[in-house]
Amino acid sequence: GNSVTQMEGPVTLSEEAFLTINCTYTATGYPSLFWYVQYPGEGLQLLLKATKADDKGSNKGFEATYRKETTSFHLEKGSVQVSDSAVYFCALTVMRQNFVFGPGTRLSVLP
Amino acid sequence: GAVVSQHPSWVICKSGTSVKIECRSLDFQATTMFWYRQFPKQSLMLMATSNEGSKATYEQGVEKDKFLINHASLTLSTLTVTSAHPEDSSFYICSARGGVSGTSADTQYFGPGTRLTVL
Repeated sequence: GNSVTQMEGPVTLSEEAFLTINCTYTATGYPSLFWYVQYPGEGLQLLLKATKADDKGSNKGFEATYRKETTSFHLEKGSVQVSDSAVYFCALTVMRQNFVFGPGTRLSVLP
Repeated sequence: GAVVSQHPSWVICKSGTSVKIECRSLDFQATTMFWYRQFPKQSLMLMATSNEGSKATYEQGVEKDKFLINHASLTLSTLTVTSAHPEDSSFYICSARGGVSGTSADTQYFGPGTRLTVL
């Protein structure tokens, strides 16, 4: 079956620190990979996505590269801000099947 | 583009009453919508897949008679929690699958969620 594993956190960083949230997956078939962000009390917002190997998704300073050889899609940001505090979900879908979400990683950025 | 709304954003009801939650795709048509439930500090749990004009497909363990889903048009799906009890209190999130009007078919676009509290 399909599954997503990500570091559960919580992750606490100081403002302007470098962020990495690891995500690895197993999938039957060729998945599309996503990162969603959930701010407190809100739904999920699509942060970035990649649909094939070596693609890099990027948005708002966040990046993630689709690594087929390591089945990974790690999220990175060079300099986090307090406003980046949220829960980040890694997810995949194969052939437009139902999404599979990771458990989420809570990020807290301190001023 | 690709905006999904939910109404209400929060609701408090008495035990035994029914509550309807609406999910609308505002600027695109969605033949498929999804309903999720999220407990505090946990990931999303898929409850059911809602297909326009046909019956919803429920995940294992989800009571279809308790969580009624209707997808009457290409822009509206509703979730009705019947005879709600305190254990039904949760954050309910819907999403719509893209594929038309500039949206991506492999992407789900999420609503802002509805917080249900049953007293």
